[in-house]
Amino acid sequence: AQSVTQPDIHITVSEGASLELRCNYSYGATPYLFWYVQSPGQGLQLLLKYFSGDTLVQGIKGFEAEFKRSQSSFNLRKPSVHWSDAAEYFCAVGQLQGAQKLVFGQGTRLTINP
Amino acid sequence: GAVVSQHPSWVICKSGTSVKIECRSLDFQATTMFWYRQFPKQSLMLMATSNEGSKATYEQGVEKDKFLINHASLTLSTLTVTSAHPEDSSFYICSVAPLGTDTQYFGPGTRLTVL
Repeated sequence: AQSVTQPDIHITVSEGASLELRCNYSYGATPYLFWYVQSPGQGLQLLLKYFSGDTLVQGIKGFEAEFKRSQSSFNLRKPSVHWSDAAEYFCAVGQLQGAQKLVFGQGTRLTINP
Repeated sequence: GAVVSQHPSWVICKSGTSVKIECRSLDFQATTMFWYRQFPKQSLMLMATSNEGSKATYEQGVEKDKFLINHASLTLSTLTVTSAHPEDSSFYICSVAPLGTDTQYFGPGTRLTVL
């Protein structure tokens, strides 16, 4: 069965600092991987996704993620965070074909210190 | 990205009543919509997959007679929480997978509080 683990429940970084949010997945085949961000009172917004090809994917808002098959990881990174990045971040894994049936990680809450 | 709306955005009801939540895709058609449930400070859990013109597929442990799903058109799916109880209080989120794509787009969610 598919599963996703986000080891860090809560991370605090200073504005302007770099960020890495961890995500590990378990899936028998090549996964579809996603990162979503959820801001208070808003729906989930897709940051980026990986299906195949280049293992370093670029997303919106300056985020990127790297797929490492050997480590079953898909960590999200940003070189310099902004106060507006404070939110809940979810990693998800989906089925290979058709409309996705997503399994989400527990989420990581990001707090930004001024 | 695609635009998905939900109505209402929040609802408070008395125990024993039924509540209907709508999910609409505003700029594309979708044969498949998904319904999730999110408890405070927790992740999203898939409840069911809504298929246009056919019965919904429910995840293990989700009562299909309690959470009625109707996907009457390619742009609208509804979730009805029947005989709601306080333990049904949660954040309900729908998502849509546009035809021919493998990405889900999420609605803003509906917060249900059952008194």
